[in-house]
Amino acid sequence: DGGITQSPKYLFRKEGQNVTLSCEQNLNHDAMYWYRQDPGQGLRLIYYSQIVNDFQKGDIAEGYSVSREKKESFPLTVTSAQKNPTAFYLCASSKGHADTQYFGPGTRLTVL
Amino acid sequence: AQSVTQLDSHVSVSEGTPVLLRCNYSSSYSPSLFWYVQHPNKGLQLLLKYTSAATLVKGINGFEAEFKKSETSFHLTKPSAHMSDAAEYFCVVSDKDRGSTLGRLYFGRGTQLTVWP
Repeated sequence: DGGITQSPKYLFRKEGQNVTLSCEQNLNHDAMYWYRQDPGQGLRLIYYSQIVNDFQKGDIAEGYSVSREKKESFPLTVTSAQKNPTAFYLCASSKGHADTQYFGPGTRLTVL
Repeated sequence: AQSVTQLDSHVSVSEGTPVLLRCNYSSSYSPSLFWYVQHPNKGLQLLLKYTSAATLVKGINGFEAEFKKSETSFHLTKPSAHMSDAAEYFCVVSDKDRGSTLGRLYFGRGTQLTVWP
């Protein structure tokens, strides 16, 4: 059963803590993406990776970090430097860098 | 610059009546256009996409959209709404970025569709 998985579904953290969100895909896609969704704002690109061991900043990368050590995995770390981390985070992947993107189910992060 | 404007933040229809969700785009290139649907606390599901073939695109669940270059529009329609269509819908444009050749996605702010019984 192919697809994109994100874990956990819900995440609660105290202010000042770093947290890591998981994203795994078994679609054999080269490109992966992280988006942040806030109510009424659509989706905004945080980071993307077109190939293993390479990634680029998106529009709102400040306070976030990523790694791409394996083709299947693209974890996102929300650091304490992110001023307003409470949001819904969506991971996506595509076969190539300009192909249709497919989305995971999302992780809702709440910082208390 | 690329951008997407969804003209209605909320649309309400009765079950069995037609659905129209409006989208206008601006693009410096020949665009690819998409509609995605999102149910509460779920990821985005692709409804349909336009990639410069036929201007009338048919998608899943009875939805379709028409690309009108002269009007820079890509409105989403369905002849008869179903209760299960209640969700948020996003219009999205993709262009090759001049610097990196990445097909960046630019999202509209979304249209919340409510379907009344």
